[in-house]
Amino acid sequence: QSVLTQPPSASGTPGQRVTISCSGSSSNIGSNTVNWYQQLPGTAPKLLIYSNNQRPSGVPDRFSGSKSGTSASLAISGLQSEDEADYYCAAWDDSLNGHWVFGGGTKLTVL
Amino acid sequence: QVQLVQSGAEVKKPGSSVKVSCKASGGTFSSYAISWVRQAPGQGLEWMGGIIPIFGTANYAQKFQGRVTITTDESTSTAYMELSSLRSEDTAVYYCAREVGHSSSWYFDYWGQGTLVTVSS
Repeated sequence: QSVLTQPPSASGTPGQRVTISCSGSSSNIGSNTVNWYQQLPGTAPKLLIYSNNQRPSGVPDRFSGSKSGTSASLAISGLQSEDEADYYCAAWDDSLNGHWVFGGGTKLTVL
Repeated sequence: QVQLVQSGAEVKKPGSSVKVSCKASGGTFSSYAISWVRQAPGQGLEWMGGIIPIFGTANYAQKFQGRVTITTDESTSTAYMELSSLRSEDTAVYYCAREVGHSSSWYFDYWGQGTLVTVSS
């Protein structure tokens, strides 16, 4: 059972906009910024969004992030086939001397 | 360009230990924290612990306290993760990741390629 809660799956057709939610608590998302990672099949996770809504260099502006209270969301607009991957949210949790927590991951299928 | 290169796959017997390495290049090794994250087959990501080389003190997830040891060798820019008393549930891909940021905004910007550890009798 992951500390951060994500829907296990999401789907959309090419060109659509999809959103993935991430719910936490006051000790993690409520107190710290949220990051999102994309994991393509058989590869290591890759940083997609950091500090709630910042994109690293090279990440298309089709990807955006937001945070409100103890929840966060990842939005993907203009969905493309290559976006089919697992997406994880993550945040630092201030409890128990501090530790990183992840969501359980959302498998995005492009129909 | 920062790169984290991990050691190769391992097959271990239950009750034994495994030590995985993560060699960094292209950046200032000592200044950034290195974390270890594992992923069991078909499962999500799980943080095990991290260390800042320049300080040398590791912080471990409660679940792994007493079983995991994270160390660094600044002379070779390499981080190590040793997990003991292995059981079948420890079968997973183990990743190292560099942690960067400032203030209350931290994140993993580079990841190793992953090391598959299989625990089987």
